[in-house]
Amino acid sequence: SQELEQSPQSLIVQEGKNLTINCTSSKTLYGLYWYKQKYGEGLIFLMMLQKGGEEKSHEKITAKLDEKKQQSSLHITASQPSHAGIYLCGADNTGGFKTIFGAGTRLFVKA
Amino acid sequence: DVKVTQSSRYLVKRTGEKVFLECVQDMDHENMFWYRQDPGLGLRLIYFSYDVKMKEKGDIPEGYSVSREKKERFSLILESASTNQTSMYLCASSLSQGVREKLFFGSGTQLSVL
Repeated sequence: SQELEQSPQSLIVQEGKNLTINCTSSKTLYGLYWYKQKYGEGLIFLMMLQKGGEEKSHEKITAKLDEKKQQSSLHITASQPSHAGIYLCGADNTGGFKTIFGAGTRLFVKA
Repeated sequence: DVKVTQSSRYLVKRTGEKVFLECVQDMDHENMFWYRQDPGLGLRLIYFSYDVKMKEKGDIPEGYSVSREKKERFSLILESASTNQTSMYLCASSLSQGVREKLFFGSGTQLSVL
């Protein structure tokens, strides 16, 4: 079965610094999602990537899917306290019906 | 915006009790899902439903059952709660089957079984 591995597990950065979170799949990714979760709350959709080499941005967050479609990265530029939370990558199974998730990356931003 | 509402944010139950977790979505979504979230394990799919009265097992269905009598409502049932079911439970919905759709999540229910 497909598994998603996220790294790092947790990250503490100084406000204003850039950071990158990675998501690696054991199989080819047919749909890769990034979600953000504030502590103790539900997940909020950030972006979806489908094509090899695709890149999307929203405000200061950029997500990329590599050409081989087995790895994605999430990059935050000039981090702010509002970026703190848990970032999870998710992927559709081959049937496109169930979404599996990585274990998440906990981001702390020091003011 | 789609709203997915879970009936309780926090719940404390005793071992052996029957527990109902309710989830309602207001956007006529076909698919509904129940996940549990545990530290270091991420989200794991318990059950999902792609239509009224239809249900499919996810990756960890043991000890759980579900009910979907109406399109907007998807209930998760713990027949006899156990301490290893202490977890954050998240309900989600998506628009339709057969296409890659993002999930809309509720705020979660933190269940503690004592």
